[in-house]
Amino acid sequence: RKEVEQDPGPFNVPEGATVAFNCTYSNSASQSFFWYRQDCRKEPKLLMSVYSSGNEDGRFTAQLNRASQYISLLIRDSKLSDSATYLCVVTPPSNTGKLIFGQGTTLQVKP
Amino acid sequence: NAGVTQTPKFQVLKTGQSMTLQCAQDMNHEYMSWYRQDPGMGLRLIHYSVGAGITDQGEVPNGYNVSRSTTEDFPLRLLSAAPSQTSVYFCASSYGPTGGEKLFFGSGTQLSVL
Repeated sequence: RKEVEQDPGPFNVPEGATVAFNCTYSNSASQSFFWYRQDCRKEPKLLMSVYSSGNEDGRFTAQLNRASQYISLLIRDSKLSDSATYLCVVTPPSNTGKLIFGQGTTLQVKP
Repeated sequence: NAGVTQTPKFQVLKTGQSMTLQCAQDMNHEYMSWYRQDPGMGLRLIHYSVGAGITDQGEVPNGYNVSRSTTEDFPLRLLSAAPSQTSVYFCASSYGPTGGEKLFFGSGTQLSVL
């Protein structure tokens, strides 16, 4: 089993739709969680951190479920500019610097 | 404010050649790392450093060497290139020593080994 797993998609949605991605992690003692966004042929950029109580940034909501060992990203009112690959990132329990990336979920928002 | 500067952007090597990918950051970050990204595999950690003079192996270190003589620079050396090292390489840095904070990435190097 991979340490961090994501459904690679692609998720094809119309503009204005709500879409959600999940990411599961295998180590229950993992410490920190993040969502990164990567545009085609570009470097990843931090979208948002994921906090235990859940957090929201505009149209984006991130949630953490430690009991089931997954994090989620919800995008409301999808825009064409949201088309990208979304990477789930987990910090292992020892927090030694070995960040673990999921393989990414591709979102394509269509007019 | 340059951030993380990674060079070259593209490189073609023949099997057995050696080369160094350069990475420099001007944000005084303690943590620096190298990743490779392959289709369907996500980003995999090659080597990382939590400060000058300290380096450690990541998930896929074989065939690569690193050094961290200064806070700013973290070069990645391919000792004897192999076709399996064809990939996109990213350098990244963050303020804290553990990498558990916001990562800043370089723009990537597309490497092809023939």
